[in-house]
Parts: sequence; structure tokens; C-alpha cells
Amino acid sequence: RKEVEQDPGPFNVPEGATVAFNCTYSNSASQSFFWYRQDCRKEPKLLMSVYSSGNEDGRFTAQLNRASQYISLLIRDSKLSDSATYLCVVTDSGAGSYQLTFGKGTKLSVIP
Amino acid sequence: GAGVSQSPSNKVTEKGKDVELRCDPISGHTALYWYRQSLGQGLEFLIYFQGNSAPDKSGLPSDRFSAERTGGSVSTLTIQRTQQEDSAVYLCASSLGTGFEQYFGPGTRLTVT
Repeated sequence: RKEVEQDPGPFNVPEGATVAFNCTYSNSASQSFFWYRQDCRKEPKLLMSVYSSGNEDGRFTAQLNRASQYISLLIRDSKLSDSATYLCVVTDSGAGSYQLTFGKGTKLSVIP
Repeated sequence: GAGVSQSPSNKVTEKGKDVELRCDPISGHTALYWYRQSLGQGLEFLIYFQGNSAPDKSGLPSDRFSAERTGGSVSTLTIQRTQQEDSAVYLCASSLGTGFEQYFGPGTRLTVT
């Protein structure tokens, strides 16, 4: 069984703070990695893909460490609107099959 | 453009009845995925389609669950003889192909009484 583990939180941080989440995965052959955010009672929305070299999108930075099998998400200058649950997604394919595994999510609350 | 749509948005059914949930993916997306999410829980991957084919059905929770996709577009998820533990939000997503970013529909909230 492929596992994706996240700290459920909640992370309560003040506006303007920097916060980081990690996600570990069990299958060393996993191929694609994503971060999604999910607002309460809403569907998940893609936040960013995670590339081997690391990537940045505005205040968000994602990194992949294949040797240690974890991905991270860093949010700088937190805004109230960043409050959500952040889901780590790992995909595996092979032998004609394709599997996606979502972590259970890390809840972030940004406080005024 | 139009996103992924799902119907119905809410469904209340009695235990033992069959239900059909529908997903309309984004036009041109060849891959389609079904998930379910129980209250306060993570997403559980059920099945995916590449075109009309579902290469791996092992994520379906039991043989009461089945899914099909026709014309490379609309998909239906059918739950037979529903049980209370089937109550959840059923989410559909589509993508250009496997490995690409997925776009989710708003979900169908299923309540089995």
C-alpha cells in the first residue's frame, strides 16, 4: 500500500509569517508530485506542481527531496486568504496502471 | 471555459437503493478520475479512466461500485444497494492526460439514510 503522510496541523500563524509543510511518501519510484489546496466544503484546487529542481510561484515555494522521499511547501508573507487545507499528491504509474495518492492534508489558519 | 460539472450536487437515498452519479469532464480531457471524501477525511482514489478504459479498478471499495465512461467524455459512477458507510462527497476530476494537473468538479454529496 502506497502511503503519503502529512502533519494534520492545525498550523495557526499570524499574518505575514512564513510557514512550511512537509509531506513524506513511501514509494521511491513515485513520479509526479503536486500540492493542492482545499477550502472548507469545497473541491481541491491545484496550487502548484513540484519539480525536481524546486519551483517558486510568488509567495509559494515547493521542493522535492527524492533521497529522503519528501516534498515541502513554503508559504512566505502569509495572508488571511491562505487559510485552507493543503493536500500533498503523489502519482505512480507502471504496468499499464496509474495511481494517485492524496495525503490527508495539513490545515493552515492565518490569524489577523 | 466550462469546468468539470457533476450531478446531482446532493443526493439523499435510502439504504439498499441504487444511485448514479454523473461527471462531465472538461472538453478535450482524456483522463477522468473518481474520488470520495468522507467528512473530515482525505481523498480516497476510486478509479480513473484513460479514454473509455479503466485500467485499474482496484480502488473501488466493493463490487457494489462500478463506473463507466462513454465517448471519452461523460462518466457515471454507480453504487448498488447503498449502505450508510457510502455517505461521502464523491468528487470527479479530469486532466489532459495522466500525470497532468487535475481539475475537480464541485462534487456530489451523497447521504444514505
